[in-house]
Amino acid sequence: AQSVTQPDIHITVSEGASLELRCNYSYGATPYLFWYVQSPGQGLQLLLKYFSGDTLVQGIKGFEAEFKRSQSSFNLRKPSVHWSDAAEYFCAVGRNAGGTSYGKLTFGQGTILTVHP
Amino acid sequence: GAVVSQHPSRVICKSGTSVKIECRSLDFQATTMFWYRQFPKQSLMLMATSNEGSKATYEQGVEKDKFLINHASLTLSTLTVTSAHPEDSSFYICSAGGTVKSSGANVLTFGAGSRLTVL
Repeated sequence: AQSVTQPDIHITVSEGASLELRCNYSYGATPYLFWYVQSPGQGLQLLLKYFSGDTLVQGIKGFEAEFKRSQSSFNLRKPSVHWSDAAEYFCAVGRNAGGTSYGKLTFGQGTILTVHP
Repeated sequence: GAVVSQHPSRVICKSGTSVKIECRSLDFQATTMFWYRQFPKQSLMLMATSNEGSKATYEQGVEKDKFLINHASLTLSTLTVTSAHPEDSSFYICSAGGTVKSSGANVLTFGAGSRLTVL
């Protein structure tokens, strides 16, 4: 069974600083990997996803993530954080079964990002 | 494109009553719908997967008679929490997977979620 670990429950950074959120996954085959952001009381917004190809994935809002198979990681990065980036971030892995069955996602525990002015 | 509308966004009900949550795909055909539950300060847990016209497949530990899922059309799925109790209070989120008619692209989109409070 797949699993996702986000080691950092809470991260605090200053506005303008760089950011890296860690994600490690466990899955027997090539995974579909996702990063989502959730504001309090809201649904999920997709930041980026990796299915195959280039292991460095660009997403919305200036985020990027790098798939490293050897480390089973898919860390999210942003070079300069904005106050509006404060939210909770979820890494997820989906089964690689074609069609939309990859939508059966397993989520990590989430990382809460606080941004100081 | 690829918008999923979920409502109600918030619902409060008395213990023992049933509550229905709707999830609609607005501009694409949702061949598969997924229902998740998120308890406060916790992650999302998949409850069930439904394909249009078929019975839902429930994850281990999820009571299918308590959480009734219907996916009667390619644009609508409903989750009914039957005989709700305070421990069912949670944030329920749907996601829809399908194909956008105009582009043929496969998409997976989440609804905004429904917060259920059972008194």
